[in-house]
Amino acid sequence: GENVEQHPSTLSVQEGDSAVIKCTYSDSASNYFPWYKQELGKGPQLIIDIRSNVGEKKDQRIAVTLNKTAKHFSLHITETQPEDSAVYFCAATYTDKLIFGTGTRLQVFP
Amino acid sequence: KAGVTQTPRYLIKTRGQQVTLSCSPISGHRSVSWYQQTPGQGLQFLFEYFSETQRNKGNFPGRFSGRQFSNSRSEMNVSTLELGDSALYLCASSLATGQETQYFGPGTRLLVL
Repeated sequence: GENVEQHPSTLSVQEGDSAVIKCTYSDSASNYFPWYKQELGKGPQLIIDIRSNVGEKKDQRIAVTLNKTAKHFSLHITETQPEDSAVYFCAATYTDKLIFGTGTRLQVFP
Repeated sequence: KAGVTQTPRYLIKTRGQQVTLSCSPISGHRSVSWYQQTPGQGLQFLFEYFSETQRNKGNFPGRFSGRQFSNSRSEMNVSTLELGDSALYLCASSLATGQETQYFGPGTRLLVL
């Protein structure tokens, strides 16, 4: 069955430090992995995504890595800033649906 | 380009009533997906519509239904509301069905009393 596990559930870092959020998926046929950021009172916003034909993708301070063999993918945020504080969700496709992880609440302290 | 819009943004209903939520996708997008977000269950997929046809369905009871119009706008309906239906209902649009990037609206927060 479809399942995406996400860790940690909460993450506190000092401004300027790096943050890493990890997800594991269960369906080996999954081939699209987006990451969303959700701020209070708003809908999730796509911040980066990766398809299964690449192992890593970077966009400024944000990067995503994918290990298809282990069915793991991770979000890396470098040089964190207070405005990075939000809930982050990973997701993986399962028979043309998006299955979401349970979310990570990231707090960046100045 | 305008983003996904949802109306209303907030709604209060009582048990047993029904509710209809509306979603207008990004211009040119033909697929609309609906999700329920609650603190306990996270983001759960309700259904997806593409070209006025339901393409995918999640594990929700028949009280949850939806439709899509020829202009790609979509509505979802919940009948015989229960307290547990209180949630943020999110709509996401994408260019086509399948493995396409989805863009979310701000959601409709429903409170059932």
